[in-house]
Amino acid sequence: EVQLVQSGAEVKKPGESLSISCKGSGYSFTNYWIGWVRQMPGKGLEWMGIIYPGDSETKYSPSFQGQVTFSVDKSISTAYLQWSSLKASDTAMYYCARDKGNSGWGPFDYWGQGTLVTVSS
Amino acid sequence: QSALTQPASVSGSPGQSITISCTGTSSDVGGYNYVSWYQQHPGKAPKLMIYDVSNRPSGVSNRFSGSKSGNTASLTISGLQAEDEADYYCSSYTSSSTYVVFGGGTKLTVL
Repeated sequence: EVQLVQSGAEVKKPGESLSISCKGSGYSFTNYWIGWVRQMPGKGLEWMGIIYPGDSETKYSPSFQGQVTFSVDKSISTAYLQWSSLKASDTAMYYCARDKGNSGWGPFDYWGQGTLVTVSS
Repeated sequence: QSALTQPASVSGSPGQSITISCTGTSSDVGGYNYVSWYQQHPGKAPKLMIYDVSNRPSGVSNRFSGSKSGNTASLTISGLQAEDEADYYCSSYTSSSTYVVFGGGTKLTVL
């Protein structure tokens, strides 16, 4: 059974760094793009970008380029979303999802349960 | 403002059919057959319902169907059931540097 399991909720202060994780199982982790999607409170879905675990190739939405970093650790089938300096506006639910095809453009067929990130002083 | 335009809300009675539209441009919806639809219940992760305009993943009810005409894609749900009440999002590949865009979402209410 394909599963993506994300790390737990985080509460951070502005300026702090953070890394959240997404562990895949039940499939060949290195052969499918992993995407990240933001959902701010009460708002819609936003495509942040994707990473290919096989070679760590990344594609960022311009809105998130330079604001976050995607990475993977193939040895433990885990993808990461990282911030070096959080802002209050980063408060949101973050989902990881597996790309069904091989292009990176979606669709996302399996989703993690989401990680709620709260940034507040 | 989202790149793809969806109605904020639609409603229907059990057993009826409803259609949710998703309007883009020739750079996204109109130019490629990479339109997907996701269902999201409150507090839950999104679920893929339709991909590549009209394909249903295994396990998704055949009451859900997708289509496209020009720059507008549509999701139709027939035989509405109470469990269909949720938010629905369309997405599309785009030739812009954004790569993938989502619609703003449509809240479906089953009366």
